[in-house]
Amino acid sequence: DAKTTQPTSMDCAEGRAANLPCNHSTISGNEYVYWYRQIHSQGPQYIIHGLKNNETNEMASLIITEDRKSSTLILPHATLRDTAVYYCIVRAGGSEKLVFGKGTKLTVNP
Amino acid sequence: DGGITQSPKYLFRKEGQNVTLSCEQNLNHDAMYWYRQDPGQGLRLIYYSQIVNDFQKGDIAEGYSVSREKKESFPLTVTSAQKNPTAFYLCASSIRAGAGNTIYFGEGSWLTVV
Repeated sequence: DAKTTQPTSMDCAEGRAANLPCNHSTISGNEYVYWYRQIHSQGPQYIIHGLKNNETNEMASLIITEDRKSSTLILPHATLRDTAVYYCIVRAGGSEKLVFGKGTKLTVNP
Repeated sequence: DGGITQSPKYLFRKEGQNVTLSCEQNLNHDAMYWYRQDPGQGLRLIYYSQIVNDFQKGDIAEGYSVSREKKESFPLTVTSAQKNPTAFYLCASSIRAGAGNTIYFGEGSWLTVV
């Protein structure tokens, strides 16, 4: 079972920041937080991951709370092409599998 | 271009026939994975391989088989023993096994069994 909780759906205006929350209250010290997104009928696209510190790359920023029980993915300037299902995944240090939950359906509106 | 190539994209087979899905990567990754996705559902791990000539069962390995004879190739065979084979199949790879190493996915193969 997925160890994360995400809202089912969210909307965002084009050009604005999209902030996608994720709760992972049972996360352990050696577990990473990964974010992927998936557009219908395509393979999941890796976005970003982190362990303890906040992370930023060319696609997004990941903010992890100090107690690591929740995180937020930030898309700084959402475009229509960012419309997708976003998955927050907790991956254990010794685990080879990604456990995908149902994710958040983000719709970016013109 | 570097990446993970899955073929074919769409495949139709009759019930009772075995079918093999191809997955090739030119990223020089050690670890490779097969996942299955049913409509509206998350991904489930079928098999994974951490190194050539070695592979491990995932959560739903029954009715599937794999081989890893070459580093760049990890084909998946869906056998007639798989009760509900119609699904979206995703191949993935990472530079090596371990949670800190990102897993990258191919574009997927749709298998429909009639």
